[in-house]
Order: sequence, then C-alpha cells, then structure tokens
Amino acid sequence: DQQVKQNSPSLSVQEGRISILNCDYTNSMFDYFLWYKKYPAEGPTFLISISSIKDKNEDGRFTVFLNKSAKHLSLHIVPSQPGDSAVYFCAANTNAGKSTFGDGTTLTVKP
Amino acid sequence: NAGVTQTPKFQVLKTGQSMTLQCAQDMNHEYMSWYRQDPGMGLRLIHYSVGAGITDQGEVPNGYNVSRSTTEDFPLRLLSAAPSQTSVYFCASSSSGYSNQPQHFGDGTRLSIL
Repeated sequence: DQQVKQNSPSLSVQEGRISILNCDYTNSMFDYFLWYKKYPAEGPTFLISISSIKDKNEDGRFTVFLNKSAKHLSLHIVPSQPGDSAVYFCAANTNAGKSTFGDGTTLTVKP
Repeated sequence: NAGVTQTPKFQVLKTGQSMTLQCAQDMNHEYMSWYRQDPGMGLRLIHYSVGAGITDQGEVPNGYNVSRSTTEDFPLRLLSAAPSQTSVYFCASSSSGYSNQPQHFGDGTRLSIL
C-alpha cells in the first residue's frame, strides 16, 4: 500500500502562471514533509519542507500548504519559469529518519 | 565542495555477477542511505545508516548488503545480480536522521543487469 501518492504524473503550465503540485499521504505518523526537484541525469535536490504542526511554509516563489485533516499537501510555484521544468517528488519523514517518496510529477513550463 | 559522490555512473552486469556501488560524502554527515528508482516510480529505501558501524534495512533490502566503517563512505553491494535489480541507484546523506533534515543526493548509478 503506497503511503505517499502523487496522483498527477505530469503537469503543463504557461510561463508566469501558477503551478500546483499535489501530494496525499496515509500515515499519521509522518511529522515532516519535503519537496525535492529532480533534473534528468541528476540526483534530487531539496526544495522546501513543512512540519506537520504547520499549515504553510513559504520560500520565495515556492509555498507548501499542508491540510493535516485531509492528509494532503500541495506545492505552489508562482510565477512559474521554464527553469522550473523538472520532476517534483513529495517525501514524508518519520522521526525515525526514514523517508517515503511519492512517484513524482513531471512539471513542464512552456515559454 | 563535492557533496555526495557516487561511482560508477553507469554499469552493465550479467546475471549472477556481484559488484559494489560506491558512495562518499564530504559533509561529515551522520545519516546515509541508499535508494533505487525504477521507471515512473519514486525512490524506495534499500538500506540506511545513522552513523559509522550502524546500518539497518529499508523497504527493499533483499539482494543488497551494506556496511559503514567510516563516516564518509557507505558502499552498497549486490551479492548476485538479477534483472529485477536493473534500476537507478541513489545515495543520500543528511546531517542527522531527524525528520526535519533534508537529504543531499548523489547523481546516481545507472545499473543494467542482462
């Protein structure tokens, strides 16, 4: 049973518009959620995170929202830029240090 | 600053062969881990280590061994390669195993088992 799900394999948006990437989870023991960005032939790189006791965290163009009752989080990118085109992974951590990853969403930002 | 370095970048093996994937980090991180990524899927945890001399199994440990004799190095051994182990392998490190710590990833080893 997959504990972290990213139900949209791909998303295409126009440059300058908002990109919204979604992630759902099932395990209530997750206490931190992270987003990673991955370019082809490279390893994932950390983007932004949020604690389970928060509902929003913002860093420049990137904002992560957490709805704990719905077990849902989303990453908003505003404004989207062509360089944001990549695969985005949602990851959920327990306090035992283990990370569980979603399958990723491929974002394409068109000029 | 090199970060996390994985070698080799590419490898082709025959079924039944063994090999070791190398991983080294220069950030003095305590926590290191190995993941595999299959096409269209996320990263699945194979093994992890919270410090030198301490390792534990992740989600998909079968067919793999690890050891952690130093803080810097965390090699992954395939004992007898099988086609099902064809994948991209990522090594990662973080300063600790606490849940708020992001991981730093290497660029991966692309492994094909024929």
